[in-house]
Amino acid sequence: QKEVEQNSGPLSVPEGAIASLNCTYSDRGSQSFFWYRQYSGKSPELIMFIYSNGDKEDGRFTAQLNKASQYVSLLIRDSQPSDSATYLCAVKRDNNDMRFGAGTRLTVKP
Amino acid sequence: DTEVTQTPKHLVMGMTNKKSLKCEQHMGHRAMYWYKQKAKKPPELMFVYSYEKLSINESVPSRFSPECPNSSLLNLHLHALQPEDSALYLCASSQDGQGASVDTQYFGPGTRLTVL
Repeated sequence: QKEVEQNSGPLSVPEGAIASLNCTYSDRGSQSFFWYRQYSGKSPELIMFIYSNGDKEDGRFTAQLNKASQYVSLLIRDSQPSDSATYLCAVKRDNNDMRFGAGTRLTVKP
Repeated sequence: DTEVTQTPKHLVMGMTNKKSLKCEQHMGHRAMYWYKQKAKKPPELMFVYSYEKLSINESVPSRFSPECPNSSLLNLHLHALQPEDSALYLCASSQDGQGASVDTQYFGPGTRLTVL
């Protein structure tokens, strides 16, 4: 079992729709959870972090965490073509070791 | 300012060369990281420095040698690399790397390394 699992996609949504990205993790001791966006050929860019169960909203982005189910998700509302990228879920353990999922490639079609 | 800078942007080297990658941040962060990323793969952690001391070394071959001269600078010395070491090398920094719950890592633009 991989430490951090994501659907590789590609996930395709029409412009204006909601994109839903999912991530599961295996280490119950994981403390904080991050979503990064990575455009092709560029470095990862932080979108959001979450460490408490529930929802956290920032603009068009909502992160959701359920530690009992070891599940974290990212919702992107009103998706734009500029949101087309690979989204990386990252999970940090208590020793500051951060592990990334394989990423989900999102395409937003105009 | 959440800027992490890396030089050079691109590097081509032969298997017998010695080169260094450099990373710098001026955010007052006390933890710095090296990651390796192959095409269509996630970043893989190589090294972590916390308060200028190596705290994590993910069993990286000795042909990669990290150095942290001070809290703002991180180097990665390269020697006798193999073609399979070609990748994007990413540097990141975070506030303290002491295992605090939220210790967000900010990435530099990366160095694209090609080993011939």
